[in-house]
Amino acid sequence: DTEVTQTPKHLVMGMTNKKSLKCEQHMGHRAMYWYKQKAKKPPELMFVYSYEKLSINESVPSRFSPECPNSSLLNLHLHALQPEDSALYLCASRGWGGGPETQYFGPGTRLLVL
Amino acid sequence: DQQVKQNSPSLSVQEGRISILNCDYTNSMFDYFLWYKKYPAEGPTFLISISSIKDKNEDGRFTVFLNKSAKHLSLHIVPSQPGDSAVYFCAAVSGNTGKLIFGQGTTLQVKP
Repeated sequence: DTEVTQTPKHLVMGMTNKKSLKCEQHMGHRAMYWYKQKAKKPPELMFVYSYEKLSINESVPSRFSPECPNSSLLNLHLHALQPEDSALYLCASRGWGGGPETQYFGPGTRLLVL
Repeated sequence: DQQVKQNSPSLSVQEGRISILNCDYTNSMFDYFLWYKKYPAEGPTFLISISSIKDKNEDGRFTVFLNKSAKHLSLHIVPSQPGDSAVYFCAAVSGNTGKLIFGQGTTLQVKP
């Protein structure tokens, strides 16, 4: 089983709202990732958690706040977003399967900021 | 500076024929490469990977070839099927954190 789940599937929010994206995996992977993807572009890395600790922040604005409550869960808290933040947000986890470096992606959350 | 490049934005092939998707990289320190397939508004699906110690890896209809001296890899799909129509991303693993460096993607269309 190489499933990564993400909720919600779609999200519409105003620029003053606070919302959270959730990601879950039960593969025992110890590295989890948040990516942002705009149309016709490759995924862009935002954050990396390794063993539940933030190891990489790709200079992401503070209106995005990641959280890793335990080894299976990853959240992305959103506050005061801008319309240009509208994108597909992808979660991934890394572990053994296709290979030790293989990341498995969730289906994504389609976010629209109005 | 784009470290992973997919120079063909699109490719169209006939059903049953071979699809060849190409990828070039500049960083000789990359030691693991992956191919992902992506449908619109969905997450990328892992297809196949290859370690830099190998020059070929095969999984069913998918074969990845790696030419380290040329810093080039390719994905072969044989035979191509209409359901293979999607965007294909090549990615290289950078460093111990597993950070993926993606190419820009190639849109494959397989015509019936």
